[in-house]
Amino acid sequence: DAGVTQSPTHLIKTRGQQVTLRCSPKSGHDTVSWYQQALGQGPQFIFQYYEEEERQRGNFPDRFSGHQFPNYSSELNVNALLLGDSALYLCASSLRGSVAFFGQGTRLTVV
Amino acid sequence: GQNIDQPTEMTATEGAIVQINCTYQTSGFNGLFWYQQHAGEAPTFLSYNVLDGLEEKGRFSSFLSRSKGYSYLLLKELQMKDSASYLCAVRDGGGFKTIFGAGTRLFVKA
Repeated sequence: DAGVTQSPTHLIKTRGQQVTLRCSPKSGHDTVSWYQQALGQGPQFIFQYYEEEERQRGNFPDRFSGHQFPNYSSELNVNALLLGDSALYLCASSLRGSVAFFGQGTRLTVV
Repeated sequence: GQNIDQPTEMTATEGAIVQINCTYQTSGFNGLFWYQQHAGEAPTFLSYNVLDGLEEKGRFSSFLSRSKGYSYLLLKELQMKDSASYLCAVRDGGGFKTIFGAGTRLFVKA
């Protein structure tokens, strides 16, 4: 049984570019949440998707957007990248209100 | 506002017991989680408390007092591999958003 998988594992982008990160949830899970984790900090909630809808959003600008597909996989899109967007982006999946399990993350570096 | 506080760093000796405290102020409460995160890796789930009291799972135990906005994670028989960051997280009243503390870096020395 595969856990939560994210791609790519590492990514380098230039300021102003756009990036798309992908997440496949753990088998049987229907809810996907995205987090940004800066070095030495805890994960910060970006948003959560359930039934292909954004259910709740944290304090992130509109440059951060997402999507959930019918197979429950999800994408995180970030437009107009800033140097401060450099972080580890984590995807966590759960079955409705159950415990969330994390993927290994995507390390994004903006130069 | 919403806030989760936990110590930045702790050091303990192999074989000993360590308690990592967490206090929280959030908009409602729908459960408290503890995760372990080794450097460069994803957080892994350790424990979940939604009612007051102690939950025990092997060498790890977690306690919750909702009236005090307080939890602790207790690690017994410490091993070198327990050196990691420990994240306290609270699911808010809406039941969807989980807020994380900055994490406590635990160093286990021989």
